[in-house]
Amino acid sequence: EIVLTQSPGTLSLSPGERATLSCRASQSVSSSYLAWYQQKPGQAPRLLIYGASSRATGIPDRFSGSGSGTDFTLTISRLEPEDFAVYYCQQYGSSLLFGGGTKVEIK
Amino acid sequence: EVQLVESGGGLVKPGGSLRLSCAASGFTFSNAWMSWVRQAPGKGLEWVGRIKSKTDGGTTDYAAPVKGRFTISRDDSKNTLYLQMNSLKTEDTAVYYCTTDSSVLWFGESLYGMDVWGQGTTVTVSS
Repeated sequence: EIVLTQSPGTLSLSPGERATLSCRASQSVSSSYLAWYQQKPGQAPRLLIYGASSRATGIPDRFSGSGSGTDFTLTISRLEPEDFAVYYCQQYGSSLLFGGGTKVEIK
Repeated sequence: EVQLVESGGGLVKPGGSLRLSCAASGFTFSNAWMSWVRQAPGKGLEWVGRIKSKTDGGTTDYAAPVKGRFTISRDDSKNTLYLQMNSLKTEDTAVYYCTTDSSVLWFGESLYGMDVWGQGTTVTVSS
């Protein structure tokens, strides 16, 4: 069974800084079926990236995804105040599971 | 407007049962693959299970922690998804979200992941 490990657990950054979040799979994952979500307190998750690198509708271009095989990355080029949240990676398609999440907090 | 609205959450004793509903609108529900995702208090997201459209076999898949206890079903005439939860445990306490991948409606396969979410309903299992 595949396990998705996200790191770091918490990222403390200031607005305007660059955020780099990692998602590592225990076995190779098809990049066609790797997604990233943002979740703010009290809200449902929001899809940011699908297919490892495609932005979902309405997602600003400061969010970008990359990677293949077992290593995937979500990058936020310049953090805006509304970007401080928890981020999850997910494998989908034939099987579905989430990583444990990375919290991006204000430094 | 595409919308998912969950209901049916509440307080139940360990060993008890509860049925959640998810009312869908704004899209062709009968063609959708629907999933349940839960989130325990202060924890991350956990996929619970999925049901495919009848056209795609209507098959169900479940996460290991709920297999044999939870059942996902759908009533396409009512545009409603269900989650029947039996033999509930304290560790089933969570917010339960209904979600779908709209790309299945357009392309016949799951390309986006989960791009439509309900607001969630809270299930508390406690004596």
